[in-house]
Amino acid sequence: RKEVEQDPGPFNVPEGATVAFNCTYSNSASQSFFWYRQDCRKEPKLLMSVYSSGNEDGRFTAQLNRASQYISLLIRDSKLSDSATYLCVVNNRGSQGNLIFGKGTKLSVKP
Amino acid sequence: DAGITQSPRYKITETGRQVTLMCHQTWSHSYMFWYRQDLGHGLRLIYYSAAADITDKGEVPDGYVVSRSKTENFPLTLESATRSQTSVYFCASSEPGTSYEQYFGPGTRLTVT
Repeated sequence: RKEVEQDPGPFNVPEGATVAFNCTYSNSASQSFFWYRQDCRKEPKLLMSVYSSGNEDGRFTAQLNRASQYISLLIRDSKLSDSATYLCVVNNRGSQGNLIFGKGTKLSVKP
Repeated sequence: DAGITQSPRYKITETGRQVTLMCHQTWSHSYMFWYRQDLGHGLRLIYYSAAADITDKGEVPDGYVVSRSKTENFPLTLESATRSQTSVYFCASSEPGTSYEQYFGPGTRLTVT
C-alpha cells in the first residue's frame, strides 16, 4: 500500500459545484495532516491543516478519520480560481519533521 | 524580503557537469528540505536538514550532495549531472513544534542535456 494515496483525477466541474477529494494514508502513527494546493508550474502552498475534529476555512472543509486513516477535502461553490492540483500530506512516523506527499488530485473548474 | 528563495530559477546544463542549486530562508526555520518533482512521481524528498551541520538522506539521495553551514542556507549540488536529474527542484523549510507544515520556495527548473 502506498503511503499516501489520492485519486489523480482530473475532476472537471462547473463553477458553483461542490467537489470532494479523498485521501488514504498507511502510517497509523501519523500525527499531522495537511492539504496543499499547487498551481501549474508553481510551488505547493499550504491550503489548510486537518484537525481531528474537522475544520473549515470559508468554502473549504477538511475531515480526518483516524480509524479509517482517511482524509477528505470538500470545496463548496467552486470558483474558476480553485483550478489547481490538491496534495494530501501527512507527517512521516520515522522523522517528525518530514512530510509524505500524495501525488495530487487535479481539479479543473469550468465556466 | 522575508521568505524562502531559490536560485537560479532556470538552469540548463550538460551531462557530467557539476551544478549547485541555492536555497535561502529568512525565517530561521530549523528544518530545510530538498525535493524533486517529476510527472508521475509527485514530490520526492532528496535530502533534509534538522539544523546547521545536520543533514540526512531522503528517498532519492543518489547523485546529490548537500551542506548546511548556516541555518538560512541549504545548497544542493549535483556532482555529475545526468539526464535523469532533469526535474523541478523545490526547497522547503519548517519549524516543527506543534505542527510540521512546510513552506516552499518557487522552485528551480533544471534541464540536463
